[in-house]
This record gives sequence, structure tokens and C-alpha cells, in this order.
Amino acid sequence: GIQVEQSPPDLILQEGANSTLRCNFSDSVNNLQWFHQNPWGQLINLFYIPSGTKQNGRLSATTVATERYSLLYISSSQTTDSGVYFCAVEDNYGQNFVFGPGTRLSVLP
Amino acid sequence: DAGVIQSPRHEVTEMGQEVTLRCKPISGHNSLFWYRQTMMRGLELLIYFNNNVPIDDSGMPEDRFSAKMPNASFSTLKIQPSEPRDSAVYFCASSLYRLAGGPYNEQFFGPGTRLTVL
Repeated sequence: GIQVEQSPPDLILQEGANSTLRCNFSDSVNNLQWFHQNPWGQLINLFYIPSGTKQNGRLSATTVATERYSLLYISSSQTTDSGVYFCAVEDNYGQNFVFGPGTRLSVLP
Repeated sequence: DAGVIQSPRHEVTEMGQEVTLRCKPISGHNSLFWYRQTMMRGLELLIYFNNNVPIDDSGMPEDRFSAKMPNASFSTLKIQPSEPRDSAVYFCASSLYRLAGGPYNEQFFGPGTRLTVL
């Protein structure tokens, strides 16, 4: 089945810094989503982005489907950005939905 | 919209007991997904439904697990008998499935049920 990798696994930032999170996948995908799991365990939708670039405030995402990766950019990070960021993909074949292992982000005041 | 609703939010039970988790999808959504999150295995898809019909249950770990969707607004995930290794957070998600063979739309997750089996 499709494999999803995320990097880095852990990231510590000072408030105000920028960061880039990466998601690599091993096969063609029908769609891709980015989620933020906050410290209370809620999974919050960030982007639904099977291809192209989207922006929402301080966050933006780019998916290059032909090269099998997606990037999540966080600018001017805030302590409330702390948590785990997941990418999840739907593969092209069996409609299998696979989550990556996540990137744990800690933003320090 | 109230979003995806799950109950209970927390469940503590003893090994061997039956556990039933409940989910109400977003109104108008026709696909429903059950996931499990553990430290060891991360987020795993257990089963999903399209138009109340189970499509793929290959992620269900054992016969002790079963899921039903009797109508468009309600689904249950049952574990019988429960074991300590079933302790996890169980999430339900829903989305709108447009076309046969086409991609799914964005999935929206409920708050999860934290299950502890002693």
C-alpha cells in the first residue's frame, strides 16, 4: 500500500519564526489533506490540497502531485500553533486513506 | 452545523466488557470513516461507509470489532469483548462522496472517544 512520510518528526521554534513541514508519499494520490492536532487532541482541518497552492492566513500549502510531495508553510509562528501536524492521502486505487506519522511542533514564547 | 458528534467522549471499562462508540456525521455527508489513534501505530483507518454501506473493513483489527450504519445520521463501532490493547482514541469522520470511482472530498473529524480498557 501507499507509504506516507513526514519530516521533520519534531520541530522546536521560537515564537515568530517560520517553518516548512514536508509530506512525501510513495504513489499517486486522489487527494491530500493537512491537519493540526492540538494539545487537546482535536483534529483540525487546515488544507484539502490534492495539487497546487493554497493560503489561509499565516499558513500555506503546496502539493506537487507529479513529484509526490506536499509542503506546509507556517509563518510568524505562535504558541497556539503547537501540536502535531498530519498529512493524510487517499490513494488512486483502493480508496485507502493513510495518515503520515506527523510532525510534532513546539513553539516557545 | 454542529460538526461530527461522537459519544461518549471518554469510556473506561473492564476487560471482557462490551463497548459501543457512537457517531453522528455532518448532515448531508454520505461517507463515514472510523479511525483509531495509538502512540504505537498512529492514526489508522478501521472501516468506512458510503451511503450507509460498508465499503472496506480491512482495517478492522479482529472479529471482536464490528461497525454498523443503520441510517445516514448514525453509526456505531462495537468492541466485544474488549481487551486492554484496544485502549486508544477512536475518531469518526465524515465527508461528501461525489462520484463512483471519484475522489472523496475533505474529511471532517469528530472530537474522538478516549477508550481505556482496564
